[in-house]
Amino acid sequence: DGGITQSPKYLFRKEGQNVTLSCEQNLNHDAMYWYRQDPGQGLRLIYYSQIVNDFQKGDIAEGYSVSREKKESFPLTVTSAQKNPTAFYLCASSQREGQNYGYTFGSGTRLTVV
Amino acid sequence: DAKTTQPNSMESNEEEPVHLPCNHSTISGTDYIHWYRQLPSQGPEYVIHGLTSNVNNRMASLAIAEDRKSSTLILHRATLRDAAVYYCILRFWNSGNTPLVFGKGTRLSVIA
Repeated sequence: DGGITQSPKYLFRKEGQNVTLSCEQNLNHDAMYWYRQDPGQGLRLIYYSQIVNDFQKGDIAEGYSVSREKKESFPLTVTSAQKNPTAFYLCASSQREGQNYGYTFGSGTRLTVV
Repeated sequence: DAKTTQPNSMESNEEEPVHLPCNHSTISGTDYIHWYRQLPSQGPEYVIHGLTSNVNNRMASLAIAEDRKSSTLILHRATLRDAAVYYCILRFWNSGNTPLVFGKGTRLSVIA
């Protein structure tokens, strides 16, 4: 079955360390997105990519970096510059064209800084 | 994208219909109304979307006011598995892959 996979499900990081969250999709979707969710809050956009080798900053890109070398993969690196990285991170994908295509989300990675 | 307003929370009894409201008074003629829901500790999932006419699918129905300034997501028989946060989002018809903007949504509790 096609879908979007995020790993790991839970991640613990020491302060000052970089960490990379994985996001892989086999839906042949062109666009991919990273969102962050804090407790009781909605989703906030970190980065998105509409096509391979291209990506744009979202509303809260500071302290994060991404790459899009393959259509299927859009990893997110949380750097030590991110002041408050503990959160629930969600990856999504969608078709590039068409208003009528919904987003498919992964099941998320819960990052905790210890 | 234009803004939407939803109640913070709602409660429903199991097996009863649920009407989740969304106000979008600044909607433009080319904005689609999308609904997503997020179950606990999961990513959001697409529920339904529409432009002017009411829409039905296997998950829910979407009723859109004649002036399009409000809409209602209808769950015909709530189950415990419907307990989630429901997001109402407007999208310009030609937004391509302009990312979805999520508000805080409505937290639906279902009582057995």
